[in-house]
Amino acid sequence: DIQMTQSPSSLSASVGDRVTITCRASQGISDYLVWFQQRPGKAPKSLIYAASSLQSGVPSRFSGSGSGTDFTLTISSLQPEDYATYYCQQYNDYPLTFGGGTKVEI
Amino acid sequence: EVQLVESGGGLVQPGGSLRLSCVASGFTFNSYTMTWLRQAPGEGLEWVSSITASSASIYYLASVKGRFTISRDNSKNTLYLQMSSLRAEDTAVYYCARDKFWGQGVLVTVSS
Repeated sequence: DIQMTQSPSSLSASVGDRVTITCRASQGISDYLVWFQQRPGKAPKSLIYAASSLQSGVPSRFSGSGSGTDFTLTISSLQPEDYATYYCQQYNDYPLTFGGGTKVEI
Repeated sequence: EVQLVESGGGLVQPGGSLRLSCVASGFTFNSYTMTWLRQAPGEGLEWVSSITASSASIYYLASVKGRFTISRDNSKNTLYLQMSSLRAEDTAVYYCARDKFWGQGVLVTVSS
């Protein structure tokens, strides 16, 4: 199974800050990576697919990069509605696997 | 508009069974792989099972293989998850998903 390691597990940031979350795969997954945002009590929402492609309707302050084993999600200027937990997930192979999550807090 | 609506959750005793359903609308159901995922209380996301469009290929999380069965009825635009021999560790919100689209989830609680 492909292990996905996310860091940090939590971070504290202020409105307007630039935030970076990393995700490392235990083996190469090309660009078969998606980033999700989950607010409390809600279903996850896909932000980025294919490592760097922005889902329609997602603000341009979100961006993704990376290929192979190392990936990054960046929020260029944190907004109040961005306080949530973020997950990476690989879809290179079954079983599909997720990172442990990064909780973004004030 | 893509919609996925899960149902069938509830409280069940350890060792019991439950069948989840997910009714899909707003897209051509028989063209897409469908997936079940779950999230235990206070925990992260976990993939459970996927089924391809024609049901030709089915995949399971190791810990549910032999206990859970995924299926679909393309004539009814419905995805199922038959869960048996349920354990406390199966307690979670279960989500039905197609690509980036997720349902609202349904809670399954396994407890005596």
